[in-house]
Amino acid sequence: AQKITQTQPGMFVQEKEAVTLDCTYDTSDPSYGLFWYKQPSSGEMIFLIYQGSYDQQNATEGRYSLNFQKARKSANLVISASQLGDSAMYFCAMREGLVTGNQFYFGTGTSLTVIP
Amino acid sequence: GAVVSQHPSWVICKSGTSVKIECRSLDFQATTMFWYRQFPKQSLMLMATSNEGSKATYEQGVEKDKFLINHASLTLSTLTVTSAHPEDSSFYICSASRVAGVGEQFFGPGTRLTVL
Repeated sequence: AQKITQTQPGMFVQEKEAVTLDCTYDTSDPSYGLFWYKQPSSGEMIFLIYQGSYDQQNATEGRYSLNFQKARKSANLVISASQLGDSAMYFCAMREGLVTGNQFYFGTGTSLTVIP
Repeated sequence: GAVVSQHPSWVICKSGTSVKIECRSLDFQATTMFWYRQFPKQSLMLMATSNEGSKATYEQGVEKDKFLINHASLTLSTLTVTSAHPEDSSFYICSASRVAGVGEQFFGPGTRLTVL
């Protein structure tokens, strides 16, 4: 089974609107971390936001928030007030366990295009 | 903080030659570094996990004799593609985890390898 599933290969959003990028995960480890990364056309991977499995509240970082639904094993990324610079590939990732050096499992990514 | 550099950013080489890619954590110590390979419009594929002072752990299907990884210090890991062939052409990305923090991986800008 896939550890991370992103079912939206491509998404479009109007500038200044909000958009939700879906991510579901699969793990039996009670301790895990969920991450979202942005990859613009330049190729660099930019860390956006983190949610720990024991965190009670949804993570937020500026215009990014993570809608964490533990029972449904989903960790959707919400981008508010989209900007043209948000156009990029977005990857959801998971690390199992508490050891920070553990490997990441990446989803297949969602290509977001912001329309002016 | 948490900057990772890669060198070179791009390289073109002839088939049969070897290419070395460096990955450095510039402002933190990275006990673990990861090497990924990414094909166009696809997700990151983990090749190996590299711990300072020990042998790298390779993912299934990755030839350890072809992709030599050395993690000589807490700030430097190298990937050498030996006897490169056109099918090795790809985007190679390294990442590093800090000991402290939530365990997010900080990515280098990537190296685009083209083998003629």
